[in-house]
Amino acid sequence: EIVLTQSPGTLSLSPGERATLSCRASQSVSSSYLAWYQQKPGQAPRLLIYGASSRATGIPDRFSGSGSGTDFTLTISRLEPEDFAVYYCQQYGSSPRLTFGGGTKVEIK
Amino acid sequence: EVQLVESGGGLVQPGGSLRLSCAASGFTVSSNYMSWVRQAPGKGLEWVSVIYSGGSTYYADSVKGRFTISRDNSKNTLYLQMNSLRAEDTAVYYCARSVDSSGLIDYWGQGTLVTVSS
Repeated sequence: EIVLTQSPGTLSLSPGERATLSCRASQSVSSSYLAWYQQKPGQAPRLLIYGASSRATGIPDRFSGSGSGTDFTLTISRLEPEDFAVYYCQQYGSSPRLTFGGGTKVEIK
Repeated sequence: EVQLVESGGGLVQPGGSLRLSCAASGFTVSSNYMSWVRQAPGKGLEWVSVIYSGGSTYYADSVKGRFTISRDNSKNTLYLQMNSLRAEDTAVYYCARSVDSSGLIDYWGQGTLVTVSS
C-alpha cells in the first residue's frame, strides 16, 4: 500500500501570498495518478487536480499541480479568501484501495 | 446534474448495525466505480470500500468482514451495511463516484454522520 505524507501540517499565510503544499509517496505513483482535493469545514471534498497536473472542471488557474514519481506539489499562486481550507492528496489507479495523505491546513495568518 | 445523497446515519451502540444508503441521480450507479470514504471527527479522509461496475468489491482492512458494500440497480442506490460497529467507526461517511476505471473520485455526497457510543 502506498503511503502519502503531506507537509507542512499547517500553512499560515495572508491573502495574496503564494502557497506551496507537498505530498510525498512511499513508492512511485504509477502514471502520475495523483489527485488533490480541497475541503472546507462542513463540506465534502472537491476535486482540484488530477493526473498530478490537470485542473478539474471549473477550477481557477491559480491552482496548479506538478511532480511525478514520489514527489508532488500543489501551488496556489495568490491566495484568495475562499482558498483557506484543508487540502488532501490522493493516489489512485494502482490498487482498488485508494489512499489519502493526512492533509495540509491553509489558514489565515 | 450528478447528485449523491446519503442517508441512514445516526447513533448506534457498540456491536450494533447500521445501513447507509446513497441515492444517485444524473448517472447510473452500476456503470461506475462507487466508493465509501469516511472521516472521523477532526481527522483526515479514509477510504472504506469500493464496488466496481462489474460487481467486484474491496474493503479497507479496518472494516473487512464487518462492512458490506452493495447496490440496487433498480433504485440507482449504493449501500453500506455496517455490522459489529466499534467506537472507532464513528465518522462522517461519504459516498463517492469515480469518473472511470482509474478510481479517480470526481463527485462526493454531502456525507452522513455515524456515531458509535453507549
